[in-house]
Amino acid sequence: QKEVEQNSGPLSVPEGAIASLNCTYSDRGSQSFFWYRQYSGKSPELIMFIYSNGDKEDGRFTAQLNKASQYVSLLIRDSQPSDSATYLCAVTTGNQFYFGTGTSLTVIP
Amino acid sequence: GAVVSQHPSWVICKSGTSVKIECRSLDFQATTMFWYRQFPKQSLMLMATSNEGSKATYEQGVEKDKFLINHASLTLSTLTVTSAHPEDSSFYICSAPQAGARNEQFFGPGTRLTVL
Repeated sequence: QKEVEQNSGPLSVPEGAIASLNCTYSDRGSQSFFWYRQYSGKSPELIMFIYSNGDKEDGRFTAQLNKASQYVSLLIRDSQPSDSATYLCAVTTGNQFYFGTGTSLTVIP
Repeated sequence: GAVVSQHPSWVICKSGTSVKIECRSLDFQATTMFWYRQFPKQSLMLMATSNEGSKATYEQGVEKDKFLINHASLTLSTLTVTSAHPEDSSFYICSAPQAGARNEQFFGPGTRLTVL
């Protein structure tokens, strides 16, 4: 079983809709959770991080963490074409940092 | 946030030559840096962990004699692709965690390597 799993997509949503990206992880001892965005040909950039159960909101982005279910998600409200990218979930366990394979999101104008 | 730079941003070389890529943490010290490789439309693949003052730790299947890593200082790690071949053409990205930032990784902008 992989440490971090994501649906590779592609996920398509119309402009203005909510995009929901999901991630599960295998190690219950994981401590920190990150969402990165990667545009084609560019390196990943951090969108949000979350450490505690519940929701964390930053502008149009909301990260949700459920440690009991080992599940972390990212919601993008009012999706824009510029949000079209690959979204990477990352988890730290001890000193190890694990990436998911990423979900490709396309926002259709 | 912290800044990580890479040089060069892109390089084209002939098959059989060696290419060195530098990764620098500009405003923080990093005892550990990570090197990733990414082929088109594929996910990031961790190649190795660069450790300042000691040998790098390579992931399974990565040839340590081909991908030489040197962590020369607390702000610099280098990856040398030796005897490069066309199949080594890829996007190479480094990252570094900043102490006190809960292991958040700061990524360099990446180096596009094309081997002819």
